[in-house]
Amino acid sequence: QQQVRQSPQSLTVWEGETAILNCSYEDSTFNYFPWYQQFPGEGPALLISISSVSDKKEDGRFTIFFNKREKKLSLHITDSQPGDSATYFCAASWGTGNYKYVFGAGTRLKVIA
Amino acid sequence: GALVYQYPRRTICKSGTSMRMECQAVGFQATSVAWYRQSPQKTFELIALSTVNSAIKYEQNFTQEKFPISHPNLSFSSMTVLNAYLEDRGLYLCGARVRGRDTQYFGPGTRLLVL
Repeated sequence: QQQVRQSPQSLTVWEGETAILNCSYEDSTFNYFPWYQQFPGEGPALLISISSVSDKKEDGRFTIFFNKREKKLSLHITDSQPGDSATYFCAASWGTGNYKYVFGAGTRLKVIA
Repeated sequence: GALVYQYPRRTICKSGTSMRMECQAVGFQATSVAWYRQSPQKTFELIALSTVNSAIKYEQNFTQEKFPISHPNLSFSSMTVLNAYLEDRGLYLCGARVRGRDTQYFGPGTRLLVL
């Protein structure tokens, strides 16, 4: 059973557009959701995260929108740049005390100049 | 800032042999270290979670006999892949976490190729 799902599997946008990456989860007890950015040949780097008590988290061009009732969240990348081309992973965990992360399969983003 | 190093970055071993990989946390105390394997087919598979002063907890399909882990202090962890075969290929990632914080910091990974 896949607990964290991401869509689309791949996404192509033009430079300057907003890329929207989606994530949904099964377990309603998840309460912490980090997004990781991974470039080829490298490990995943924490991009932005949100806890279940918030419905929005913004950091520069990156914003997470969180809908607890629907168990969905999305990552919006505004003014997309070619350097944003990477694979983005949504993860979920039960927060402090339970250190296990469950990852989605990732969305491969390509930004065309 | 928090940094996690992994060594080696890439390794090739013969089928049936073993290899050891290391994870070093710099700039923070890694009270828990999670080892993952990333493969194209299965995204991130959690192998085991090691928390200082607690027993290492292995996930289903992964065992201590196959993936023994050492976590001797708050900055270092190692894992060995014993008797490696083709299905063990992948990028092995170490995720280190600070006590009381939810964030997990990953190293660049050790890519294992098995011939």
